[in-house]
Amino acid sequence: SQQGEEDPQALSIQEGENATMNCSYKTSINNLQWYRQNSGRGLVHLILIRSNEREKHSGRLRVTLDTSKKSSSLLITASRAADTASYFCATDKNTGTASKLTFGTGTRLQVTL
Amino acid sequence: GAVVSQHPSRVICKSGTSVKIECRSLDFQATTMFWYRQFPKQSLMLMATSNEGSKATYEQGVEKDKFLINHASLTLSTLTVTSAHPEDSSFYICSARSIGSSYNEQFFGPGTRLTVL
Repeated sequence: SQQGEEDPQALSIQEGENATMNCSYKTSINNLQWYRQNSGRGLVHLILIRSNEREKHSGRLRVTLDTSKKSSSLLITASRAADTASYFCATDKNTGTASKLTFGTGTRLQVTL
Repeated sequence: GAVVSQHPSRVICKSGTSVKIECRSLDFQATTMFWYRQFPKQSLMLMATSNEGSKATYEQGVEKDKFLINHASLTLSTLTVTSAHPEDSSFYICSARSIGSSYNEQFFGPGTRLTVL
C-alpha cells in the first residue's frame, strides 16, 4: 500500500494548547497537502507544501516537510474547540494530469474547553 | 472558492438495488473527477479517476462493473453502485480538479452516506 501513516491516531488537548500531528509517507512526492474533515462531512483543504519547500505557514497552521525522512508535521497553535476534526495528510507524487492524491490514515483531534 | 456538490447526501437502499451518486462542480470546469470511499474512522481510499469523455481509470481491487462511473460533461460525474450489498455501505466522496490550477488542486464534495440494508 502507498498509504501514509499518521501519528498520533487520536489527540485530545485543551483549548489554547498547541496540537502537533505527524505524517510519514513512502514514495518521493511532488507535493504534500493537509486536509481537515469534520465528522461525516467532506474535506477542506488547509495547506500545500511543495517538495522543495521545508516550512509553510497559514494563520495558526505551520507545516514542515522533511523529504529525506519522508515526513511532514502539522502544528495548530492556540487551538480552539472548533478545531475538533480529523486531519489527513495527502501526498501527490505526480504532476500534471497524472496527479492524484494518496491519503494518510488521519489524526482525530479533540479540543476541549 | 470552488464548490463541489454531491447528491444525494444520504441514501438507504435494499440489497440488490442500484444507487446513483452525482458529483457536480458548480462554478468551475473539471476535466478530472475522483471518487473515494471512506469507512468509519478510516482514511479515504481512491476508487477511480474519472476523465470527461473517456473511460474511468480504476484503482487496483475496485470492480469496474460494480462501480460504474460516467463523466459526461465538464461539470458532472456519476458513480453507480450496482447490485448493492451491505458491505458496500460506506461514505463516498468525490473531488474535482480545476482546469488551470497551478498544482492541480482538488476540491471535495460533502460526501454521500450509503447504507445498504
